Amino acid sequence: AQSVSQHNHHVILSEAASLELGCNYSYGGTVNLFWYVQYPGQHLQLLLKYFSGDPLVKGIKGFEAEFIKSKFSFNLRKPSVQWSDTAEYFCAVTPANQAGTALIFGKGTTLSVSS
Amino acid sequence: EAGVAQSPRYKIIEKRQSVAFWCNPISGHATLYWYQQILGQGPKLLIQFQNNGVVDDSQLPKDRFSAERLKGVDSTLKIQPAKLEDSAVYLCASSPFMPSLAGELFFGEGSRLTVL
Repeated sequence: AQSVSQHNHHVILSEAASLELGCNYSYGGTVNLFWYVQYPGQHLQLLLKYFSGDPLVKGIKGFEAEFIKSKFSFNLRKPSVQWSDTAEYFCAVTPANQAGTALIFGKGTTLSVSS
Repeated sequence: EAGVAQSPRYKIIEKRQSVAFWCNPISGHATLYWYQQILGQGPKLLIQFQNNGVVDDSQLPKDRFSAERLKGVDSTLKIQPAKLEDSAVYLCASSPFMPSLAGELFFGEGSRLTVL
């Protein structure tokens, strides 16, 4: 069965600090990988995704993630966080090339950024 | 483009009572999902519809939960009778049926249920 593990439950950073959130997945085949973000009081929304090709993908608001197939990892990074990045971040996986497939989510990481 | 609509946003009930949540997906999205998100955890899939047919309901507690999508558009999730452990946010999401967009879901704001 597929599963997603996020290593950090709660991360606290000061503005301008660098961010890296860990994500590992368990699945035997080809996958699509996602990071979703939920800002306070808002709905879950897509931050970035990896389907194939360049393993370094860039998303909105300066976020990027790197897919390392050998490590089954898809870590999220941002060089310099802002107060507005305070949110909950979820890593998710789904089998590739299967239309309408549900996402399997990790437990999420709460990021708190102090100004 | 209108997003995924859910109602009610908040509901407080006592255990053993019943509750229903409604979801209207983005127009044209064939796939609809209901997720349960308990505090401190990631969303967990309850049921997935493709048009008006069920694709996956393996994690739906069928003794108390039911869901339908009769006309392949909006959907209702019902809990009867509710238990304390059903306190959670119930998320509805939709997606177009396209392999190139596999896994790209559009979420509603959720319905927060508190069972006392």
